[in-house]
Amino acid sequence: EDQVTQSPEALRLQEGESSSLNCSYTVSGLRGLFWYRQDPGKGPEFLFTLYSAGEEKEKERLKATLTKKESFLHITAPKPEDSATYLCAVQAGTGRRALTFGSGTRLQVQP
Amino acid sequence: ETGVTQSPTHLIKTRGQQVTLRCSSQSGHNTVSWYQQALGQGPQFIFQYYREEENGRGNFPPRFSGLQFPNYSSELNVNALELDDSALYLCASSGQGVGETQYFGPGTRLLVL
Repeated sequence: EDQVTQSPEALRLQEGESSSLNCSYTVSGLRGLFWYRQDPGKGPEFLFTLYSAGEEKEKERLKATLTKKESFLHITAPKPEDSATYLCAVQAGTGRRALTFGSGTRLQVQP
Repeated sequence: ETGVTQSPTHLIKTRGQQVTLRCSSQSGHNTVSWYQQALGQGPQFIFQYYREEENGRGNFPPRFSGLQFPNYSSELNVNALELDDSALYLCASSGQGVGETQYFGPGTRLLVL
């Protein structure tokens, strides 16, 4: 069974204080690992897709990396508007295209 | 380019009733997936539709059913509502290729009393 575990559950940072979020996964044949951002009461907003170990992607203050067992979302010099829940999901090498999500990391950036 | 839309935004039902939620997929996408998200949890896969056929199902009972229409829009129907069905219901659309990104709509918040 595919599993995704995110840590920490919650993270409080000061503005400008860089940190990393972790996503550990167990999946039979990874087709893709996805990062989303979700604001309270809203749908997840797509950030990145990673397909193979060693791959990295960047967008503004965010950088996502992937190994064979985990992914990291690095946040550099965060701002209060980066406060949100960050979700990690995997798509397995089985017939269906379902995403298996972790429970997310709730990030709060204080000014 | 129009994104994924869902209706209604909020809904209140009583236990035992039936509900229909609607989703319009993003332009160019032919696959729709539905997810249920309980408070404080990640979304859980309900089922997926491709070319008007169910293309995979999660661990949800048969009272959760769906449809996809020729224009790729979709409906989620839930019969005999239970209190535990209270959640945010998310629709996501994508292409059918390997590793295609799923783009989510704003969700429908369902409260069952």
